[in-house]
Amino acid sequence: KAGVTQTPRYLIKTRGQQVTLSCSPISGHRSVSWYQQTPGQGLQFLFEYFSETQRNKGNFPGRFSGRQFSNSRSEMNVSTLELGDSALYLCASSITIAGDTNTGELFFGEGSRLTVL
Amino acid sequence: GNSVTQMEGPVTLSEEAFLTINCTYTATGYPSLFWYVQYPGEGLQLLLKATKADDKGSNKGFEATYRKETTSFHLEKGSVQVSDSAVYFCALTDYYNQGGKLIFGQGTELSVKP
Repeated sequence: KAGVTQTPRYLIKTRGQQVTLSCSPISGHRSVSWYQQTPGQGLQFLFEYFSETQRNKGNFPGRFSGRQFSNSRSEMNVSTLELGDSALYLCASSITIAGDTNTGELFFGEGSRLTVL
Repeated sequence: GNSVTQMEGPVTLSEEAFLTINCTYTATGYPSLFWYVQYPGEGLQLLLKATKADDKGSNKGFEATYRKETTSFHLEKGSVQVSDSAVYFCALTDYYNQGGKLIFGQGTELSVKP
């Protein structure tokens, strides 16, 4: 069974540009969550999508957005990139709503490493 | 708000040594607690979990007990191996109050020497 797939794995952008990251969840999983990992701030929750609807959102500026498609694949977009956006962006999928103690276990992808110059 | 505090690393141990990584939490509701592990170049993997007070999670020789009275969820392993070298994250989710988002500790890097 294929795991969570994130593309691209590595990318370099310059300040002011925008970027789109893609996440394909495990087949049958309907929830996709996104996290940002940096050395200074650690792992921080960005948002969660379930059945194409944003269910939960972290404390990030509006430059960070996402969406989920009918096949559960998700994309996140960061506009007007800043140096501080350099990070590893992790996507995680779960069968049902993330965190549900019985079925909400999160399965993480390997991440997309974004470098902003 | 909810938060997780882990002991700082890096932690360096010899093979077969005993491991403890401390984790304490602050939560207003009834959180579920988790330990995740991140091997070099990989995403996070769930190591173990506990969903209510006094529950013990265990997996691959690792154990952690949900202690509500001390708000702790310390990770232990009796005999570590070189293959256990990784970064370990303690996390909580307060599903009924805050949905499924995970709140992570800062992570503790473990290095096991042969």
